[in-house]
Amino acid sequence: AQKITQTQPGMFVQEKEAVTLDCTYDTSDPSYGLFWYKQPSSGEMIFLIYQGSYDQQNATEGRYSLNFQKARKSANLVISASQLGDSAMYFCAMREEITGGGNKLTFGTGTQLKVEL
Amino acid sequence: ETGVTQSPTHLIKTRGQQVTLRCSSQSGHNTVSWYQQALGQGPQFIFQYYREEENGRGNFPPRFSGLQFPNYSSELNVNALELDDSALYLCSTARGGLAGGDNEQFFGPGTRLTVL
Repeated sequence: AQKITQTQPGMFVQEKEAVTLDCTYDTSDPSYGLFWYKQPSSGEMIFLIYQGSYDQQNATEGRYSLNFQKARKSANLVISASQLGDSAMYFCAMREEITGGGNKLTFGTGTQLKVEL
Repeated sequence: ETGVTQSPTHLIKTRGQQVTLRCSSQSGHNTVSWYQQALGQGPQFIFQYYREEENGRGNFPPRFSGLQFPNYSSELNVNALELDDSALYLCSTARGGLAGGDNEQFFGPGTRLTVL
């Protein structure tokens, strides 16, 4: 079974600074996908970025980049130039095959990010 | 916004009652998954539907059941509600039912269920 570990329950960052949110994963599948989601207090899970296991380059989406180190099984999210609106819970997730031919996302426990002035 | 909608937004029920939650998928997305997110935890997979059939199931009892309709919208039904069923219920839609394919996994805003 796959497992996602997020070791930082909470993080603080100054506005306009960069911050790295850690994520490690464990899987024996050669093909997998890694996701990061942002969940504000309203509850909606907002897709941020995706990294495929065979992708040669680290994924980037605007201010978000994913530091993918396959040998270390880590997929850290880097947010550059933090904004007050970035304050939220952040989840790392892995796509996993399931019986029946479908797939599911396995989530970590999340990191609560607080951006300060 | 993702185009995935859920209703109702909030719901309060009492133990033993039954509840139906609804999800309309993003255009072109024929796979719907449901997740339960208890307070302070990450979402847990309940089940997935593809082309109106259950495509996989997580570790949830049979009183959690679902449907998918020809327009790909979906329902989650929970019978004999228990206090521990209080949670945020999220649906996620994607294209295709096969693993390792699409990287689009968009979530709706969720339904917050409280069981008293």
